[in-house]
Amino acid sequence: EIVMTQSPDTLSVSPGERATLSCRASQSVSSNLAWYQQKPGQAPRLLIYGASTRATGIPARFSGSGSGTEFTLTISSLQSEDFAVYYCQQYNDWPLTFGGGTKVEIK
Amino acid sequence: EVQLVESGGGLVQPGGSLRLSCAASGLTFSSYAMSWVRQAPGVGLEWVSVITGGGGSTNYADSVKGRFTISRDNSKNTLYLQMNSLRAEDTAVYFCAKVAKLENRYYYYMDVWGKGTTVTVSS
Repeated sequence: EIVMTQSPDTLSVSPGERATLSCRASQSVSSNLAWYQQKPGQAPRLLIYGASTRATGIPARFSGSGSGTEFTLTISSLQSEDFAVYYCQQYNDWPLTFGGGTKVEIK
Repeated sequence: EVQLVESGGGLVQPGGSLRLSCAASGLTFSSYAMSWVRQAPGVGLEWVSVITGGGGSTNYADSVKGRFTISRDNSKNTLYLQMNSLRAEDTAVYFCAKVAKLENRYYYYMDVWGKGTTVTVSS
């Protein structure tokens, strides 16, 4: 099983600042990596697929990069609605696996 | 707009059974693979199972293999998850999700999610 490790567990950021979230795979997943945003009491929402392609309707302040085992989600200027938990997921191999999540909170 | 609505959750005793349903609308249901993902209280996401559009191929997480069965009725635009031999660690919110499809090929990330249904396994 491919283990996905996210860091940090919690990121404290002021509105307007940049947030950088990391996701590491225990073996190469090529570019088969997705990012999701989840707010309390809500379902996850797809942000990024293919490591760097924004999903429909996702603002340009969200960007993804990386390939192989190291991936980054960057939120260029945090808005109030961006404070949430973010998960990465690999879909290169079975079973599908998620990272443990990074909570982005208001500083 | 694609909508997925889960139902069937509830409180069940350890060893019991439950069947979850997911009603889909706004898409040609039979054209898409579908998945179940769960989230235990205060914990992250765990993929549970997936089924192809025609229902001919399925896959399961090791944690549920042999106990859960995924199926679909394309005539009713509905996805199911039959859960048997339930354990306390199966307690979670269960999300139904649509698997992405680009140029007639599946990419197993989930691009549309339902709101989830809660399953509690407790005596």
